[in-house]
Amino acid sequence: DSGVTQTPKHLITATGQRVTLRCSPRSGDLSVYWYQQSLDQGLQFLIQYYNGEERAKGNILERFSAQQFPDLHSELNLSSLELGDSALYFCASSAFRQETQYFGPGTRLLVL
Amino acid sequence: GENVEQHPSTLSVQEGDSAVIKCTYSDSASNYFPWYKQELGKRPQLIIDIRSNVGEKKDQRIAVTLNKTAKHFSLHITETQPEDSAVYFCAATPNTGNQFYFGTGTSLTVIP
Repeated sequence: DSGVTQTPKHLITATGQRVTLRCSPRSGDLSVYWYQQSLDQGLQFLIQYYNGEERAKGNILERFSAQQFPDLHSELNLSSLELGDSALYFCASSAFRQETQYFGPGTRLLVL
Repeated sequence: GENVEQHPSTLSVQEGDSAVIKCTYSDSASNYFPWYKQELGKRPQLIIDIRSNVGEKKDQRIAVTLNKTAKHFSLHITETQPEDSAVYFCAATPNTGNQFYFGTGTSLTVIP
């Protein structure tokens, strides 16, 4: 157990819908990262937040957005969902000035 | 930005043999290189990492080597066991607390 939690574990929805994925970082970690992993694909970096502020942006679609709240948990919002958005979504966290990222168990999203 | 290439994409070895996975990176400013193991449907787990001021690091049957001049680093697993079967990802990052740039993964199968 990495100490990073994600909810829900599984999510099934229809095209055009909107979902919210939640991540709680390890206690004390200020940075949260979101990654997308499609079937048989690698880990695609989406976005990073540090202490509530957006820090880095990767290949995140305009239909996707994220935020980090004062209690440091983060939410990834996916809207106007398409079949191709079906994937595993991981969040990871790291401590201040520490490189190591610890991954959560992921949310498996299936868009039908 | 950084670009990480990983080879091979698949690797099969007999139990007890060694396995080597290689990664190259493009940004000479990268200074932290973690390796993650991901079992099917599970979260990536850090297995070993190396910083740019070190050329080699070992942890039991696992070792990582780094050649900064050639910009490549490798994962070595000795005396492989069936439970080593998984997908392995390398990554590089140029700055503490910034995003990881992941390789495309190597699916390792250890044949009993």
